[in-house]
Amino acid sequence: QVQLQESGPGLVKPSQTLSLTCAVSGGSISSGDYSWSWIRQPAGKGLEWIGRIYTSGRANHNPSLKSRVTISVDTSKNQFSLKLSSVTAADTAIYFCARDTSGWEDYHYYYFMDVWGKGTTVTVSS
Amino acid sequence: QSVLTQPPSASGTPGQRVTITCSGSDSNIGSNYVYWYQQFPGTAPRLLIYRNNQRPSGVPDRFSGSKSGTSASLAISGLRSEDEANYYCAAWDDSLRGPYVFGSGTEVTVL
Repeated sequence: QVQLQESGPGLVKPSQTLSLTCAVSGGSISSGDYSWSWIRQPAGKGLEWIGRIYTSGRANHNPSLKSRVTISVDTSKNQFSLKLSSVTAADTAIYFCARDTSGWEDYHYYYFMDVWGKGTTVTVSS
Repeated sequence: QSVLTQPPSASGTPGQRVTITCSGSDSNIGSNYVYWYQQFPGTAPRLLIYRNNQRPSGVPDRFSGSKSGTSASLAISGLRSEDEANYYCAAWDDSLRGPYVFGSGTEVTVL
């Protein structure tokens, strides 16, 4: 069974770059037609989709974050990563990584996260 | 501010039926599938409903989803204490707000 584990610094200074990695275990990141995504959740608030990447390197990002977000994948290490630049206190949140299932059915696109990591808390503060 | 609107809270007594609504627009719910995620405090979300009304294996049939126009609903029948959690709807969005948007979340309390 595939499991995901986020890792990275828990504290980042304002204006710096937040860097997180999601390690995939229990299966190859390249097997199946999955994409891999990042979602975040400020304390006590709702979920925000950050972006996703396929192992081909094709990626989508949340337009509100696009210019600051870089998502990459390293198939040799079975992991994918998130970089968020120029962070502010508003980027303080729990960051989750997830595996996505997507495709087409009856001419409609479907996309959902079916496996989630436990999440890692990132605080932006000087 | 979430793209999809949900009531902040809902409640019921054990055994009751509780319904949570999710309101969107033509670019998301109106033209795409709806998903529901369940989240207990301090844990990651879990997929509860996909493609409007499908349940992943392991999700009790007490949970059901439906969609009509630009709104969707999650119903919990035979409410149990272990259903006390936060519930989020989500959908693909074809506008510049997308591509994937979540609802504001509904906290379900079992009285």
